[in-house]
Amino acid sequence: EQQVQQSPASLVLQEAENAELQCSFSIFTNQVQWFYQRPGGRLVSLLYNPSGTKQSGRLTSTTVIKERRSSLHISSSQITDSGTYLCAIDYAQGLTFGLGTRVSVFP
Amino acid sequence: EAAVTQSPRNKVTVTGGNVTLSCRQTNSHNYMYWYRQDTGHGLRLIHYSYGAGNLQIGDVPDGYKATRTTQEDFFLLLELASPSQTSLYFCASHQGAGTEVFFGKGTRLTVV
Repeated sequence: EQQVQQSPASLVLQEAENAELQCSFSIFTNQVQWFYQRPGGRLVSLLYNPSGTKQSGRLTSTTVIKERRSSLHISSSQITDSGTYLCAIDYAQGLTFGLGTRVSVFP
Repeated sequence: EAAVTQSPRNKVTVTGGNVTLSCRQTNSHNYMYWYRQDTGHGLRLIHYSYGAGNLQIGDVPDGYKATRTTQEDFFLLLELASPSQTSLYFCASHQGAGTEVFFGKGTRLTVV
């Protein structure tokens, strides 16, 4: 059973469009992190958001623990935002990742 | 900035061969992880460690051993490599829950 579910699986955007990525998890946890990965590349930590809303540049994450979900909003997308966005929860058995949302931004 | 260095970056071995993947982190983080990444399965946790000498089993440990020899060094051992272990392997480290996680660049392992 996949403990972390992400949607959509893929997303195509035109440059400057906004996007909303969803993450839901099967346990109650306040340890939610978002990561970014280029194809075959290193994962980079974007945001740690235990609850509420947290912003970093054009990225805004909102986590609602009691509903076991988190979202990542990308505003004014840029071509360089293309890649895979991964949600992860951190609990007793280490970091568990979702399958990711593949984002493609075109001019 | 914390650095996580994996070696080798690429490795080809034969079925039944012996492989060791190395990971070193330079920020004295307590937690270190080994993941494999496969299309359709995402990142799956193999083994992890809370500190030197500590080892914990992850979600897909079969066929893998790990050793944490020092605070900095975490090794993944494949003693009888099989083609099903062909994958992209990532090492990661952090200080603890809620802290930034740092990943290495990955090791691409091919078992033929």
